[in-house]
Amino acid sequence: DSGVTQTPKHLITATGQRVTLRCSPRSGDLSVYWYQQSLDQGLQFLIQYYNGEERAKGNILERFSAQQFPDLHSELNLSSLELGDSALYFCASSVGGGYTGELFFGEGSRLTVL
Amino acid sequence: KNEVEQSPQNLTAQEGEFITINCSYSVGISALHWLQQHPGGGIVSLFMLSSGKKKHGRLIATINIQEKHSSLHITASHPRDSAVYICARRNQFYFGTGTSLTVIP
Repeated sequence: DSGVTQTPKHLITATGQRVTLRCSPRSGDLSVYWYQQSLDQGLQFLIQYYNGEERAKGNILERFSAQQFPDLHSELNLSSLELGDSALYFCASSVGGGYTGELFFGEGSRLTVL
Repeated sequence: KNEVEQSPQNLTAQEGEFITINCSYSVGISALHWLQQHPGGGIVSLFMLSSGKKKHGRLIATINIQEKHSSLHITASHPRDSAVYICARRNQFYFGTGTSLTVIP
């Protein structure tokens, strides 16, 4: 058990809809990272938050947004969903906001868009 | 173009064999991660390296910063090692495409 909790584990929805994925980091970790893993693209970094502030941005679509709350949990909002958004979404956490800390991954949220 | 290249893409080994997975990257890094993803989908971070070598049980990871290359070795491989192994550059969050390892009893 990594200590990182993601909900929901599975989600099936229709094109055009909006969903919210939730991540609770390990106790004491200030950074949360979001990743997308699709069959054809592999793992891709979406966005990082550190202590409530956006720290780094990757290949995150404009239809997607994220935030980190004062209690350090984070939510990834996906809107106007398309078939191609079907993927595994992982979050990970680390203690610091830099690039050398250990990463701990959640079990992922599997999104299926029909 | 992927900033992180892994080889081989697929690897089948007999139980007990010594396994090497390679990772090369094109831009300097502060740290490189080796991740393991089991068929169920969960990801575990195996190593984070910024220099030299790390060992954990039967797993050994090495990195050569000058040559921009890292290797993951598995000694005395076991069927439970069957998984996808992914290397990742930390500072730009680029991931390799993964090496799918199958260890046959």
